[in-house]
Amino acid sequence: DAGVIQSPRHEVTEMGQEVTLRCKPISGHNSLFWYRQTMMRGLELLIYFNNNVPIDDSGMPEDRFSAKMPNASFSTLKIQPSEPRDSAVYFCASGGAADEQFFGPGTRLTVL
Amino acid sequence: SQKIEQNSEALNIQEGKTATLTCNYTNYSPAYLQWYRQDPGRGPVFLLLIRENEKEKRKERLKVTFDTTLKQSLFHITASQPADSATYLCAPVRNFNKFYFGSGTKLNVKP
Repeated sequence: DAGVIQSPRHEVTEMGQEVTLRCKPISGHNSLFWYRQTMMRGLELLIYFNNNVPIDDSGMPEDRFSAKMPNASFSTLKIQPSEPRDSAVYFCASGGAADEQFFGPGTRLTVL
Repeated sequence: SQKIEQNSEALNIQEGKTATLTCNYTNYSPAYLQWYRQDPGRGPVFLLLIRENEKEKRKERLKVTFDTTLKQSLFHITASQPADSATYLCAPVRNFNKFYFGSGTKLNVKP
């Protein structure tokens, strides 16, 4: 299995632009998580999907952030408009029945 | 609100010694606690899970304890190796949709 796949691996954009991060979870996993990691705040849970349905989005910082999971093999995290304080590494993780999570390699986002 | 504390200072130990990392939590009662390893530029990797009714769990050179009275978990790596150098994150979990991670402790194992 290829593991969790994220794209792009690096994204540099200018303030005000729309950013879309993509994730392909491990086949057969029914849970998907989006996290953000920064030096100041550590690893923060943004949103959790179960069977493609958003269960908890209380970690989404503000309305500029949105996430979708149109099917079991694909999810997106969108930031519109982006701001410099959104610069971070964004991780996607998927999980099966065993309660452990499998993380992707992350997308390093830099907003200038 | 819940708070998770891991030693923010790096832990430096000599190869062959046992490394012990601490995870303290307050203001909630996790049903289980997970430990992850994170290498620079990579996502966290799951290592061990221990449930609230378990006192200790072992996996090869790794041992985790869970004291719900002290609200603390200890993570031990015996016979440590330079390849064990990484940042270790704990995640006490009450509900599966509420994952909160500690800030992690960086372990440096010197040859």
